[in-house]
Amino acid sequence: DGGITQSPKYLFRKEGQNVTLSCEQNLNHDAMYWYRQDPGQGLRLIYYSQIVNDFQKGDIAEGYSVSREKKESFPLTVTSAQKNPTAFYLCASSTSGFADSPLHFGNGTRLTVT
Amino acid sequence: AQTVTQSQPEMSVQEAETVTLSCTYDTSESDYYLFWYKQPPSRQMILVIRQEAYKQQNATENRFSVNFQKAAKSFSLKISDSQLGDAAMYFCAYSTNSGAGSYQLTFGKGTKLSVIP
Repeated sequence: DGGITQSPKYLFRKEGQNVTLSCEQNLNHDAMYWYRQDPGQGLRLIYYSQIVNDFQKGDIAEGYSVSREKKESFPLTVTSAQKNPTAFYLCASSTSGFADSPLHFGNGTRLTVT
Repeated sequence: AQTVTQSQPEMSVQEAETVTLSCTYDTSESDYYLFWYKQPPSRQMILVIRQEAYKQQNATENRFSVNFQKAAKSFSLKISDSQLGDAAMYFCAYSTNSGAGSYQLTFGKGTKLSVIP
């Protein structure tokens, strides 16, 4: 079955270390997204990519980086510059990067930094 | 910037009853899309229903329907014959094309729905 795979489900890191969250999709979708979810905050967009080798910053991109070398993959790196990295991270994709395309989500990665 | 407001942080409904979740949004655009997403305890977000702003007819998907009031900028979700599996966080979302090939999607902060057996 087609879908979006995020790994790992839980991730623990020491403060000051960079960490990369994986996101892979086999839906043949052009657009991919990374969201951060905090309690009571809803979802906030970190980065999105509408085509391979191109991506745009979202509302809270500071301290994060991404790459889109393949259509299927959109890894997110949480750098040591991110002030409060502990959160739940959701990856999503859509058929196109336009407003009418609903998002398909992965199961998420819970990152804890101590 | 567009904003999406869900004024009910938590709601509860008896099994088999009907519940309505409210959502309002602020926009100056005329062409946009509205969505309701469900996030069960497993935390995977699932699309519930979608509404195009240019359509006057309210969208329906089985037990889920919306009341879209464009002038009032209101987009409520009605769940009929509530089931235990409906218990989840529900997020309202607004989307519009921003021009230059980009788009904007804004989520509300969510409503936690509990279903009482």
